[in-house]
Amino acid sequence: KQEVTQIPAALSVPEGENLVLNCSFTDSAIYNLQWFRQDPGKGLTSLLLIQSSQREQTSGRLNASLDKSSGRSTLYIAASQPGDSATYLCAVYNQGGKLIFGQGTELSVKP
Amino acid sequence: NAGVTQTPKFRILKIGQSMTLQCTQDMNHNYMYWYRQDPGMGLKLIYYSVGAGITDKGEVPNGYNVSRSTTEDFPLRLELAAPSQTSVYFCASTWGSETQYFGPGTRLLVL
Repeated sequence: KQEVTQIPAALSVPEGENLVLNCSFTDSAIYNLQWFRQDPGKGLTSLLLIQSSQREQTSGRLNASLDKSSGRSTLYIAASQPGDSATYLCAVYNQGGKLIFGQGTELSVKP
Repeated sequence: NAGVTQTPKFRILKIGQSMTLQCTQDMNHNYMYWYRQDPGMGLKLIYYSVGAGITDKGEVPNGYNVSRSTTEDFPLRLELAAPSQTSVYFCASTWGSETQYFGPGTRLLVL
């Protein structure tokens, strides 16, 4: 059974710092891995999708990497801003059409 | 495009009552999903559908039912509400294994 784990559960950093969020999964037979952002009381917004054949994807200050063999992904946020404060969730898309989510990392960027 | 819409936004139910959570997407996506999110947790898949007339169970289907008579609509039915069903419910849609688009969520409180 696929399990997705995110560490840390919560993270607080000062503005301007570069940071890394971690995601691990137990079954490497995935189609892709997706990172989402969730603001309090809101739905999820897709940030990046990495296909299983890819190593990384970039969007602005965000860079996501995927190491399928070790079951790991990282989300790198450069020059963090208070507006980046949110919960970040990773999810793996399994064979069978299901997206399995981690529990999320709650990020707080202090001015 | 409106994307994925959900109604209602918030609802209070008494134990034993029933209700239907509505979900509609206007992107002609084939796949649709229902998730629940409990405080501090990731999303758990309730039911999903790969096309009109086809539905399947997710991780936590007990106490829920779905139908998919059209491509656009994927309602979730709670027959006998229980306090354990207090949660935030999200509907999502996608083309196959691509990025999932989420609705804004329905907050349900069962008392």
